[in-house]
Amino acid sequence: GAVVSQHPSRVICKSGTSVKIECRSLDFQATTMFWYRQFPKQSLMLMATSNEGSKATYEQGVEKDKFLINHASLTLSTLTVTSAHPEDSSFYICSARQETRDRIQETQYFGPGTRLLVL
Amino acid sequence: AQSVTQPDIHITVSEGASLELRCNYSYGATPYLFWYVQSPGQGLQLLLKYFSGDTLVQGIKGFEAEFKRSQSSFNLRKPSVHWSDAAEYFCAVVTYSGNTPLVFGKGTRLSVIA
Repeated sequence: GAVVSQHPSRVICKSGTSVKIECRSLDFQATTMFWYRQFPKQSLMLMATSNEGSKATYEQGVEKDKFLINHASLTLSTLTVTSAHPEDSSFYICSARQETRDRIQETQYFGPGTRLLVL
Repeated sequence: AQSVTQPDIHITVSEGASLELRCNYSYGATPYLFWYVQSPGQGLQLLLKYFSGDTLVQGIKGFEAEFKRSQSSFNLRKPSVHWSDAAEYFCAVVTYSGNTPLVFGKGTRLSVIA
C-alpha cells in the first residue's frame, strides 16, 4: 500500500511554544489530507481536512488559529500547534487520500502519528 | 448522519482460535467500508476495504471481511489468531462526494492469550 510519513514521531515542548508536524505522502500525490487527534484508548477525532492550494476545513470546536494547517504541495501538509499548552498534549495522526481517476475507489492511508507532550 | 458501531470494546481470544470483530454502519446509500489496525503508539494500517463486487474481501495478515447489506454489517474475521494480532481495530465508512472524511467506529481492542 501507499506510504505516509510523519515527522517528528515524538516531541516535547514547553508551554507557550509552537510545534510543527509534517505529513508527507511518499509515493503518491494527495490533494486531500486529514488531521486527527487521538486520546488514550479512544478513537480518532477528525480535526480538519487539508486541501492542497486552499484553506483547510476545520471541524466544529477546533480552533483555526491554534491549529494552523498548510497544504503547500501535493505531498506535504503541516500542522502547527501554536502557543501549545499541556491540554494540547495528545497523539496526532495524519492521513492522505490516494485518489483514483474516477474519484470513487479512493483510500486513506495513515501516518505513524506524532506524540506531543507539552510541559 | 452516517455512523459506525463496533459493539465490542474489548475481546480476548486464545492464540490459534478464530476471531470475529463486529461492525455495523448506518447510512442511506451504499458506503465504502474499511478495516484498519493500530498497534500501540502507532498509526493506522489498512487491513482491507470494500467498494463493490464480491462481498467477501480478503486483506493482509490473513484477515477477511464480509459485507452484508441486509444487516448493514462488515464483520472482520480471521480463522486463527496469532499473538501479534493483539491491537486496536477500527472499522470505518465513507461515501465519496467531495472531500468527505472517514467515519470511524470507536474501535475494538483485541487481546490474545496463550
